[in-house]
Amino acid sequence: AQSVTQLDSHVSVSEGTPVLLRCNYSSSYSPSLFWYVQHPNKGLQLLLKYTSAATLVKGINGFEAEFKKSETSFHLTKPSAHMSDAAEYFCVVIPNQGGKLIFGQGTELSVKP
Amino acid sequence: GAGVSQSPSNKVTEKGKDVELRCDPISGHTALYWYRQSLGQGLEFLIYFQGNSAPDKSGLPSDRFSAERTGGSVSTLTIQRTQQEDSAVYLCASSLSASGTHYEQYFGPGTRLTVT
Repeated sequence: AQSVTQLDSHVSVSEGTPVLLRCNYSSSYSPSLFWYVQHPNKGLQLLLKYTSAATLVKGINGFEAEFKKSETSFHLTKPSAHMSDAAEYFCVVIPNQGGKLIFGQGTELSVKP
Repeated sequence: GAGVSQSPSNKVTEKGKDVELRCDPISGHTALYWYRQSLGQGLEFLIYFQGNSAPDKSGLPSDRFSAERTGGSVSTLTIQRTQQEDSAVYLCASSLSASGTHYEQYFGPGTRLTVT
């Protein structure tokens, strides 16, 4: 079975400092992985996706993630946090046959001025 | 273009009543998904449709939950005899297809269901 584990339920950073949100996956196959963001009272929005092309994936709003098979990780990073990045972030895997998304438990990102 | 829309945005109902939640997917998207988001359980898959058929309904928590999709477009999620544990935000998503490279899912704003 495929699953994802987000290692931190809450991360707090200062504006202008780097962001690191950690995600490990479990999969028998080469997985398709996503990061989604959910701002307060807003819908889920796709940040970026990995589908076995380049291992370093660039997304919207300056976020990127690197797929590391040896570490079974897909951590989300951003060089410099902005106040508008405060939101909940979900690491997601899709089963090999497609269909449903399997969500991690989410990481709430707080950005301090 | 128009995104995924859901109605109502909020629904308060009494325990034991039936409720219907509606989802309008993005035009042309053949796959439609229902998820539930609650404090205790996070984001859970309920059911998805490819066209009008439901290849995977494994996430429906009980037989009180059902869903249908007609004309390959609008879908309705029905909860019968609602219970307090059904209180959650119900999210709908759609994608061009449920497999291959077109499975990027676009989410609606959700319906917040409160069972009193």
